Amino acid sequence: DSGVTQTPKHLITATGQRVTLRCSPRSGDLSVYWYQQSLDQGLQFLIQYYNGEERAKGNILERFSAQQFPDLHSELNLSSLELGDSALYFCASSVAEGLDYTDTQYFGPGTRLTVL
Amino acid sequence: GQSLEQPSEVTAVEGAIVQINCTYQTSGFYGLSWYQQHDGGAPTFLSYNALDGLEETGRFSSFLSRSDSYGYLLLQELQMKDSASYFCAVRGTDSSYKLIFGSGTRLLVRP
Repeated sequence: DSGVTQTPKHLITATGQRVTLRCSPRSGDLSVYWYQQSLDQGLQFLIQYYNGEERAKGNILERFSAQQFPDLHSELNLSSLELGDSALYFCASSVAEGLDYTDTQYFGPGTRLTVL
Repeated sequence: GQSLEQPSEVTAVEGAIVQINCTYQTSGFYGLSWYQQHDGGAPTFLSYNALDGLEETGRFSSFLSRSDSYGYLLLQELQMKDSASYFCAVRGTDSSYKLIFGSGTRLLVRP
């Protein structure tokens, strides 16, 4: 158990719909990252938040957005869903400060999104 | 930009030793990490190299050569439970701490 929680575990929805994925980081971690993993693919970085502010963006679609709240939990919003958005969405957290270049990321169990 | 290359699949026998290679291209370098992911599971951190040389953690070791932009993960005394995907990753060159992952190597351990 990494200490990172994600809900829901599974989500099945239809094209054109909107969903929200939720992530709670490990206690003490200020940074939250979202990654997308399509079938048999690697992990694609989407977006990072640090202490409530957006820190970095990857190849995140304009239909996707995220935020981090004062209690440090984060939500990833996916709208106008397409079949190709079906994937595993992982949230990770880390300390992301200071000189700890190791900065291990701890991953949640993921949300499996299926768009029909 | 940043990119990493790994073999897509490796097969080995239980009890053997296997090496998974990773070459990377990045304009700035903050170390090479390795993550393990079982099917349907979450990636979990295995090791990290910031300096050249070998880091050993139990049956797993990781090596880095910065001059060659190359690293590898060495798994010894392979067990069936080691069958998983292994990803190398580098940190982003901005201040974000994001990770850029390779496409992963699927390791199959046979009896």
